[in-house]
Parts: sequence; C-alpha cells; structure tokens
Amino acid sequence: DGGITQSPKYLFRKEGQNVTLSCEQNLNHDAMYWYRQDPGQGLRLIYYSQIVNDFQKGDIAEGYSVSREKKESFPLTVTSAQKNPTAFYLCAGDNEQFFGPGTRLTVL
Amino acid sequence: GQNIDQPTEMTATEGAIVQINCTYQTSGFNGLFWYQQHAGEAPTFLSYNVLDGLEEKGRFSSFLSRSKGYSYLLLKELQMKDSASYLCALMDSNYQLIWGAGTKLIIKP
Repeated sequence: DGGITQSPKYLFRKEGQNVTLSCEQNLNHDAMYWYRQDPGQGLRLIYYSQIVNDFQKGDIAEGYSVSREKKESFPLTVTSAQKNPTAFYLCAGDNEQFFGPGTRLTVL
Repeated sequence: GQNIDQPTEMTATEGAIVQINCTYQTSGFNGLFWYQQHAGEAPTFLSYNVLDGLEEKGRFSSFLSRSKGYSYLLLKELQMKDSASYLCALMDSNYQLIWGAGTKLIIKP
C-alpha cells in the first residue's frame, strides 16, 4: 500500500533522552513536513524539506533536528533541549499535506 | 501578519446541516484547505479552494470569498461519524500552511 508511515504510534521516554521519530513515504513526494499538535491548538510547523539533502526550519525548530538523506525518509529527533516535548507529532508529504498516522510522544 | 480564526466548538443534531466558518488575514494567499481530524488521529484532507465560490463534494461543501477573507465548510445530512475537529488552513505566499486551532463538532442524536 502507498502512503506515509510513522512509527511507533505511542512512544515513551525519560526526560533528558533524545528520541528519533520515523517518517517514511512511498508516494514519491519531494516535500515532507513535521508538525507538532498540542491540545486545543493548531498544527505548528517544526521542519520541512522540499528536496533531498535540504531542509528548512519551521516556526518551532528549537530543540529538534532532522535529516533528509533519502527522498523516502524524513526522521525527526527530539533532543533533550526541547523544553516541552510531550505532544502529538505528525509527518506530512506533498504541498497538500497528506499525513501519516502520527506518533504520540510522552516524556516522563 | 497572518491570522486564522474559527469557532472552538459547535454542536449540531444528527441529520441536520452545520456551517463552520473560518476567517483569515494574510498578505499572500495561495488557497484555503479544510481537514477533518478524529480524536487521536491524523487530519485527513477534505477540500481546497483557491478561487471564490462554492465547491461541492458529496455531503461536504466549501466556500471561499477572498475579498472578505472568509471561508466556510458546510456539512449536510449529519451523521454521528462526523463528530470530529475541522481544521481550516491557509496556504501563504511561500506555499506554507498556516493552521487554525480547529473547530470541535459535536453531533447529538
């Protein structure tokens, strides 16, 4: 099946640990995006990539890092520098924003 | 600057019609999107308007007035499964999406 996959659906980490969220797509999308969603708020853009080996900061990039070594993959690392990492993380492809199922990260 | 507003919550009755409004302010405009998001799930694309007027797609329709900075999503023949949040998003001059906070729609029998 074609689509955007994110794993795992739920992730728990201890405070101070880095964690990497995966996002894979087989839709041949050039553009990929990472968003964060908090209760009662709109989606906020963390990072985006329009092409392989290039990415740009979004509105809330501090405490996060990404890589885009392959067209199919756009992993997001939540570092220990992110003050409030607990959130629902959504990966999307294409400019029309087709979303993966999301990863709910809880930092204990 | 850019700003998007939509009501926080609305309630409607099964079988009825509901209109969810979205107003925006922006210096650059490349279209307006509507998404549906069920609790705990990712948003799913519903509609895209870039020209003024009404776009109909089954039970869902979306309207845009660029001069008024206004859009609405119209849902007809409401079903219980339509209970969800509806997100309005504006595509700016850089082709980036600016998101509203979403409208939680509660459907009552």
